This record gives sequence, structure tokens and C-alpha cells, in this order.
Amino acid sequence: QITLKESGPTLVKPTQTLTLTCTFSGFSLSTSGVGVGWIRQPPGKALEWLALIYWDDDKRYSPSLKSRLTITKDTSKNQVVLTMTNMDPVDTATYYCAHKGNPWEVHFDYWGQGTLVTVSS
Amino acid sequence: EIVMTQSPATLSVSPGERATLSCRASQSVSSNLAWYQQKPGQAPRLLIYGASTRATGIPARFSGSGSGTEFTLTISSLQSEDFAVYYCQQYNNWPLTFGPGTKVDIK
Repeated sequence: QITLKESGPTLVKPTQTLTLTCTFSGFSLSTSGVGVGWIRQPPGKALEWLALIYWDDDKRYSPSLKSRLTITKDTSKNQVVLTMTNMDPVDTATYYCAHKGNPWEVHFDYWGQGTLVTVSS
Repeated sequence: EIVMTQSPATLSVSPGERATLSCRASQSVSSNLAWYQQKPGQAPRLLIYGASTRATGIPARFSGSGSGTEFTLTISSLQSEDFAVYYCQQYNNWPLTFGPGTKVDIK
């Protein structure tokens, strides 16, 4: 059974750096073809993909946010960490991590419950 | 970046009726398209990938079709649990992009 859970601060101040951790079980991020992605959703708005890390440590980022994002993995801890610098109120959103299991395609078949991050002074 | 659009924004349907949702890509994404369902307060759930393949555990009343730039999600007979927001996502090109969603509500 695959599960993922996001953790991190619920409130950050403008200009601060956000660090979110995705802790997962039921799969290994050292298995060929597997990846973990981050997707966010501002209140009442659509989904926005942020970043993805593959089993081989290949990383992909949203071009519009690339300068602010870093994604890393700790395979031994079954964790993926996303950092986003210079937070702004427009970054207020629910942040999801999700599992990519299909070796050839990039869609997300298991999702965490999401964590709401509010950016406010 | 490939821009995904969805229509209509809101679809009002009676239980038992058929619902047809559309997704369009600004350029061809081949069959590299997924559909997700999201209910209030919940994470999205994968319904369809490869434009037409149902994900594990998804009922047969959900079907997907299309290729290139035009895609359709059909719910053959709406059940009460199907009232939700539906998003399409292309994965043919980086960055991954989602559509704005179609809300299916009760008529």
C-alpha cells in the first residue's frame, strides 16, 4: 500500500524559505522508473506542477519557479524535500506530493493529503 | 509551455445522466494525457492516463478518448459520488501542465 504525507510549516512570512517534507511508504525511490512530484493548489484554484525527482536523481522543475525551487531525496529515509525560497503571499496554497509509478509516463497515481501553507506577515 | 484548456467550466447534470467533459491542448500531446477527479477537501485521484486507460480501481463508467490536441472524458451515468472537479494534465512536454478544471455539479 502506497502512502505519502506532507509535513512542514503552516505559516511562513514573506521572503522566508519554505521547506516541505514528503514521507512515503509502500515503494522505494531507488526503483527504476519511480518518481515523486510536488504539485500545489491555491485556494479555489487549479493545480500547478512544481517539481519532480526521479529514482536516478534526475530533477525537473517548473520553469516559472525554477530559480526558487530545490528538490532532493533521501532514499534511506523514504523522504523527498522541497524548498522554495523568497516566499510571497501568492504562494499561499495546499502543497501536495505525489507518486509517479509508471516507468514511461509522468502522471501521478498516489497523492498525499496535502498541507496548506499560508504566507503572511 | 503547453496550455491546457477545459470546457465547460461548470457542467450541471442530473444523476444517471451522461457527462461529457472536454480538454484541449495548445499543441499536440499525442496520447500523453491524464484525467483526475478532485472532491472538496481531498487530493486529486487519477482516473485515466494515456488518454484512454483507466487507472486501477476506476469504474467502467469513466472513459477517456482523443489524441493530439482534443480529448474527452465521459461519465456514462453519473453517480452521486461523481460530483466533483475534473482536471486534465499533459505529460508530453516539460513542464507538466494542468487544465483549469471542470466542475460537475448536480442539476
